[in-house]
Amino acid sequence: DTEVTQTPKHLVMGMTNKKSLKCEQHMGHRAMYWYKQKAKKPPELMFVYSYEKLSINESVPSRFSPECPNSSLLNLHLHALQPEDSALYLCASSHRGQGSYGYTFGSGTRLTVV
Amino acid sequence: GQQLNQSPQSMFIQEGEDVSMNCTSSSIFNTWLWYKQDPGEGPVLLIALYKAGELTSNGRLTAQFGITRKDSFLNISASIPSDVGIYFCAGQSVSSNTGKLIFGQGTTLQVKP
Repeated sequence: DTEVTQTPKHLVMGMTNKKSLKCEQHMGHRAMYWYKQKAKKPPELMFVYSYEKLSINESVPSRFSPECPNSSLLNLHLHALQPEDSALYLCASSHRGQGSYGYTFGSGTRLTVV
Repeated sequence: GQQLNQSPQSMFIQEGEDVSMNCTSSSIFNTWLWYKQDPGEGPVLLIALYKAGELTSNGRLTAQFGITRKDSFLNISASIPSDVGIYFCAGQSVSSNTGKLIFGQGTTLQVKP
């Protein structure tokens, strides 16, 4: 299995809703990442988990809350988002706790905040 | 913050033509990755480079890790319509051990049949 699986593929939520994005990989990767991507722009790093511990938070607003229940799963909990948070949210994973070997992205969740 | 300069920003070519794009950095990198992204999908890894001077091919794609460790190029030979998409270079600086990738701004490729 060489994939990173993200669900849901599409999500529409109101500004008062609470929702979660899910990411799963079974490649034995010990680093997992959340990225945010606006149209025609490169992905922007949000969070890095290394060996199930949060190692980087790129000054992301607290309305985004990451969680890594185990080495295969990564969640992103969303609460009280703003319309400008609408974007493609990408999960990625890589070999080793830190490093870029085998850096693989999921297909993303297209989030629309209304 | 650290940035990669990727060029050209966009290309519109005829089917069958060869394509070349490159990325440069002001600092030394220990990894260069090239991704292709289709609309609504995540980036798909095309080629990964881990050693200075390394030249790697993947079908019609060829990429090289520059000797100075500050640049990389991607060539696509005999382009076909399905090559359409946005190509991103990405790298990891030698000063980083966090797995954080630095991305170029992307090259949008359009192929005319």
